[in-house]
Amino acid sequence: DQQVKQNSPSLSVQEGRISILNCDYTNSMFDYFLWYKKYPAEGPTFLISISSIKDKNEDGRFTVFLNKSAKHLSLHIVPSQPGDSAVYFCAASGNFGNEKLTFGTGTRLTIIP
Amino acid sequence: DTAVSQTPKYLVTQMGNDKSIKCEQNLGHDTMYWYKQDSKKFLKIMFSYNNKELIINETVPNRFSPKSPDKAHLNLHINSLELGDSAVYFCASSHLYEQFFGPGTRLTVL
Repeated sequence: DQQVKQNSPSLSVQEGRISILNCDYTNSMFDYFLWYKKYPAEGPTFLISISSIKDKNEDGRFTVFLNKSAKHLSLHIVPSQPGDSAVYFCAASGNFGNEKLTFGTGTRLTIIP
Repeated sequence: DTAVSQTPKYLVTQMGNDKSIKCEQNLGHDTMYWYKQDSKKFLKIMFSYNNKELIINETVPNRFSPKSPDKAHLNLHINSLELGDSAVYFCASSHLYEQFFGPGTRLTVL
């Protein structure tokens, strides 16, 4: 049973435009959400996170939005750069810290120069 | 200076063999994890240790035995390897919420 879903396996965006990656979850016990970026042959790298008490968190070009009633979150990257081409994983956990992460299946983002 | 390191990066072995993957973190974190990424690229938790104690065991076959000699190390030993064990194994560590991952070990069982 997939508790975290990323329904778009791939996304292509023109350089300089906005990239929007989406994630849905089913488990209402999830309280903390994270986005990871992964290049081939490397481990996932933490990008940005959000607690369920917030609906938006921003860090430079990256913003994560959380709609708790819809059990939906999204990652916005603006402006998109060629180095952003990677696989992006959405992950969720409880709110006590040091808990397992439940990952989505990832979205491959390609930035077109 | 690598924060979470794993050795080896690649491991090719025959069915039935026993192998180990080592993981070390220099971040001072108390909690370490092992994740498996299967052929469908799905990342799934296997184990979690906090201060050398097992916290999570996600119904992993007992052929897999994690060992934590100290809180900076979490090694994964696999007995009687099977074809289905072929995957990429990632070690991670955390202090609270954000987990930091190693580069992965690609295990191929022939």
